[in-house]
Amino acid sequence: GAGVSQSPSNKVTEKGKDVELRCDPISGHTALYWYRQSLGQGLEFLIYFQGNSAPDKSGLPSDRFSAERTGGSVSTLTIQRTQQEDSAVYLCASSLSGQASYEQYFGPGTRLTVT
Amino acid sequence: AQRVTQPEKLLSVFKGAPVELKCNYSYSGSPELFWYVQYSRQRLQLLLRHISRESIKGFTADLNKGETSFHLKKPFAQEEDSAMYYCALSGTSYGKLTFGQGTILTVHP
Repeated sequence: GAGVSQSPSNKVTEKGKDVELRCDPISGHTALYWYRQSLGQGLEFLIYFQGNSAPDKSGLPSDRFSAERTGGSVSTLTIQRTQQEDSAVYLCASSLSGQASYEQYFGPGTRLTVT
Repeated sequence: AQRVTQPEKLLSVFKGAPVELKCNYSYSGSPELFWYVQYSRQRLQLLLRHISRESIKGFTADLNKGETSFHLKKPFAQEEDSAMYYCALSGTSYGKLTFGQGTILTVHP
């Protein structure tokens, strides 16, 4: 079946602009995660959605970052007033359940470059 | 706080040699530990998890709670094992992962 998909695959934006990154999880997966992969910080957790529960936003680096998940499926990560330090690969992952032992399936990522 | 440390950024071995990728963790409770791998131009994928106690592609990893380690081992490395390897920990009731910095493994012919 289809895996996790993300769009766009690459995004170049000017400092100060807003960007939206999209994630389509595997159908039927109730848990969805966003991570960020950057040279200086490695792979870091951003936000977690599970069903209709309130998301865990504890990893979002600033209030310029927000995310939503509509209808328990597609998720959008929005970065407002982008800064150069936001340049990274943003990865989305989904799993059948939010339990820790369940495998997370990763998307190909969106490479964001802020100029 | 939970932390994962992979002390080697780069590791090079020759084909057929044993390989060990080190991972140490810091967590006060009972963690779930994983190894994820990213081959060139492919997406990040699960290699193995400690609760399964399985061998995948010849790799094994044993959780040593006394030493808080979860090292990844393979007795005979292959060129196709060349990749970036991440050790990850989940210390919550759900799957939020804390990753190490990653180790780039290169297996030379």
